[in-house]
Amino acid sequence: DTAVSQTPKYLVTQMGNDKSIKCEQNLGHDTMYWYKQDSKKFLKIMFSYNNKELIINETVPNRFSPKSPDKAHLNLHINSLELGDSAVYFCASSRSGTGFFNEQFFGPGTRLTVL
Amino acid sequence: AQSVTQLGSHVSVSEGALVLLRCNYSSSVPPYLFWYVQYPNQGLQLLLKYTTGATLVKGINGFEAEFKKSETSFHLTKPSAHMSDAAEYFCAVTSYGGATNKLIFGTGTLLAVQP
Repeated sequence: DTAVSQTPKYLVTQMGNDKSIKCEQNLGHDTMYWYKQDSKKFLKIMFSYNNKELIINETVPNRFSPKSPDKAHLNLHINSLELGDSAVYFCASSRSGTGFFNEQFFGPGTRLTVL
Repeated sequence: AQSVTQLGSHVSVSEGALVLLRCNYSSSVPPYLFWYVQYPNQGLQLLLKYTTGATLVKGINGFEAEFKKSETSFHLTKPSAHMSDAAEYFCAVTSYGGATNKLIFGTGTLLAVQP
């Protein structure tokens, strides 16, 4: 049983297109994240949602729009794709709440290639 | 603000030799520290974490790390390298943040294990 799943695993598209990446978790968590890993393997957080509310938005171009239809899903839609968007995108999830640490569990990643 | 510095983007060891991957952090609040491993074309897997309590933490696959506040370090070690340890290793820091935790990652260290 996959805890955090992402689809698709690979995505190859042309510049200017619009694409979406889907993420689902079955861990019962209420916080979800998107991270971007660039070609040099540097990982940086993009967004975080808690109970479907946007909590973190890290200076990401507004071409990127996350959507959380429910606590178990966090999708990432990207408009007008650019070459620089080529990267691996990781979804993660965790519990929320004060008083304890919230370990993040990562999905397998989606490798986006923009031609 | 928090940050992580991983010294050495590439480390090569012989099978059976000691593995030492270095991580130094900067944090104005008590940090939570992590090591994640990423095998080729896979997602991130948590190796170990330090939150509070014992400063020497043991993780999976025989890895351990020691939190040294005076040195702001959290180096990862394994007494005897195995071929299967070849992977990318990421150190990360966060703080007790309530509803959500933003992981700040280092730039990663690629571990090669020579036969």
